[in-house]
Amino acid sequence: DAKTTQPTSMDCAEGRAANLPCNHSTISGNEYVYWYRQIHSQGPQYIIHGLKNNETNEMASLIITEDRKSSTLILPHATLRDTAVYYCIVRFNAGNNRKLIWGLGTSLAVNP
Amino acid sequence: DGGITQSPKYLFRKEGQNVTLSCEQNLNHDAMYWYRQDPGQGLRLIYYSQIVNDFQKGDIAEGYSVSREKKESFPLTVTSAQKNPTAFYLCASSQFTEAFFGQGTRLTVV
Repeated sequence: DAKTTQPTSMDCAEGRAANLPCNHSTISGNEYVYWYRQIHSQGPQYIIHGLKNNETNEMASLIITEDRKSSTLILPHATLRDTAVYYCIVRFNAGNNRKLIWGLGTSLAVNP
Repeated sequence: DGGITQSPKYLFRKEGQNVTLSCEQNLNHDAMYWYRQDPGQGLRLIYYSQIVNDFQKGDIAEGYSVSREKKESFPLTVTSAQKNPTAFYLCASSQFTEAFFGQGTRLTVV
């Protein structure tokens, strides 16, 4: 599975959109982009995943560039409870999670 | 509710003692995983199991042992051979797609 690069930290004002970037320039054609987040001292929580098309669910939107070398996770109206570390991971969907490479993620601080 | 449960949330042990961390899931997932997380580091895989009665070493298996006698359960034993056992331990399960994590056990060895 390909490695990803994310900024170490970001700030966002409460109520504004939080846009978290991720670079995955070595992603292969059948690898998916997954996003998780981890609130302090809790287990990571799945947010969203996608292959080529943009995806949206009740938590967030995922925008993947046409060349698939980067993506952006969008939290449309960030709240204080969205303060967490956000991890971007690429993986084969049909595979299992043993080969996931967990980086340090982006520490997002949502400020009042 | 379906989910994955780790217990206890906090655990203290004396150096040299073995300790077993519990992980139970009722999601009917085949695969289960144990990760370790240290401050300033990403999650690192200790052991994983794809099916009952089978498990494989991850990247940092030394000093740890597991069993998978039931689909629902994947306990992790931290043995006295583990040089730096104090850490946050996370259990996860999956079925082809995303992984579901427990709330973690923070182990402190004194």
